[in-house]
Amino acid sequence: DAKTTQPPSMDCAEGRAANLPCNHSTISGNEYVYWYRQIHSQGPQYIIHGLKNNETNEMASLIITEDRKSSTLILPHATLRDTAVYYCIVVPGYSSASKIIFGSGTRLSIRP
Amino acid sequence: SAVISQKPSRDICQRGTSLTIQCQVDSQVTMMFWYRQQPGQSLTLIATANQGSEATYESGFVIDKFPISRPNLTFSTLTVSNMSPEDSSIYLCSVDGTGFEQYFGPGTRLTVT
Repeated sequence: DAKTTQPPSMDCAEGRAANLPCNHSTISGNEYVYWYRQIHSQGPQYIIHGLKNNETNEMASLIITEDRKSSTLILPHATLRDTAVYYCIVVPGYSSASKIIFGSGTRLSIRP
Repeated sequence: SAVISQKPSRDICQRGTSLTIQCQVDSQVTMMFWYRQQPGQSLTLIATANQGSEATYESGFVIDKFPISRPNLTFSTLTVSNMSPEDSSIYLCSVDGTGFEQYFGPGTRLTVT
């Protein structure tokens, strides 16, 4: 079973920041928080990951609470192309070779 | 990054037949994964395929139904055997990347009639 809980859907105005929450209250010390997204009819795409520090890359920022029981993915300036299902995933270890167990994800809709 | 192709991209098959899906990567990778995504659902991991060893199947998936081959470090196949309409799904492969991300193929959309 997935170890994360996400709202089933959210919407955001184009150009605004989209903040997607995720609960992972049973996360273990060696488990990373990963975010992937799946745009309609495509394979999932990696966005960002983190262990306990906040992370930022060209796509998004990841804010992890100090107790690591929840996190927020931030898309700073959402565009229509960001409409997708976003998956928050907990992965043991720092390895792309770890199997990914997908939860239900959050369907993000960006409105013009 | 890794570029992944899958063949076929889509197919319509009759009940009781089998379909073999191919996954080709443009670089050598250690781990390959196969997923199923039923209509309107999230992805479900079917199995993990290491080169040179038997695939490891997740609970609910068996080798007789979903035999997997992994003949080398750039290629894998998944066969969906004795198909029924419940097997209508998108089947995706993924591979381990440069250390922290997986790359996913575009998927094979299967419809069983």
